[in-house]
Amino acid sequence: QVQLQESGPGLVKPSETLSLTCAVSGYSISSGYYWGWIRRPPGKGLEWIGSIHHSGNTFYNPSLKSRVTISVDTPKNQFSLKLSSVTAADTAVYYCARHSQTYYYTWGQGTLVTVSS
Amino acid sequence: EIVLTQSPGTLSLSPGERATLSCRASQSVSSSYLAWYQQKPGQAPRLLIYDASSRATGIPDRFSGSGSGTDFTLTISRLEPEDFAVYFCQQYGDSMYTFGQGTNLEIK
Repeated sequence: QVQLQESGPGLVKPSETLSLTCAVSGYSISSGYYWGWIRRPPGKGLEWIGSIHHSGNTFYNPSLKSRVTISVDTPKNQFSLKLSSVTAADTAVYYCARHSQTYYYTWGQGTLVTVSS
Repeated sequence: EIVLTQSPGTLSLSPGERATLSCRASQSVSSSYLAWYQQKPGQAPRLLIYDASSRATGIPDRFSGSGSGTDFTLTISRLEPEDFAVYFCQQYGDSMYTFGQGTNLEIK
């Protein structure tokens, strides 16, 4: 059974970089699929942040592209999100997920990140 | 960017009743690229329906999806106590994924 688990700081200061990691168990990231990040700000809907294909290709939401980097650590079987220059608007529950080109098979439980000084 | 609008925002029904949830897109969506998910408090979202009408592995047949173009529907034929949760739709198009804001299905 494939499982994903997000980890990282729950509090980030404005203008700093948010960094999260998604540990994957039950499947080797390098074997296939896309691996993505989605977030849900308080009181709002879900927003796709970006994804990385098992080949290493990345693609990002145009609205966040200038601030986002997604990378894979194959030996550790995990992938990471970095979001720079954060503001209060980046406060959200962040999810990692495994997906095909069109839909999301497996999600992590989510982790709340608050941007505040 | 394709915007997905779900209605109603909250749906109050009793176990045994039929639930009909709507997802409307701002422009036409390929039926192959529309999915539905269920999320319960404190849990990860779970894929229910993909390609607009195909049930994911292990999903009971009381869940069904239909629709095409800009109008899609998730139907739960007879509500079980465990079905009360938040449901959201998702589409893929123009190299982007967008989600609806969700429908909260609550016990009446």
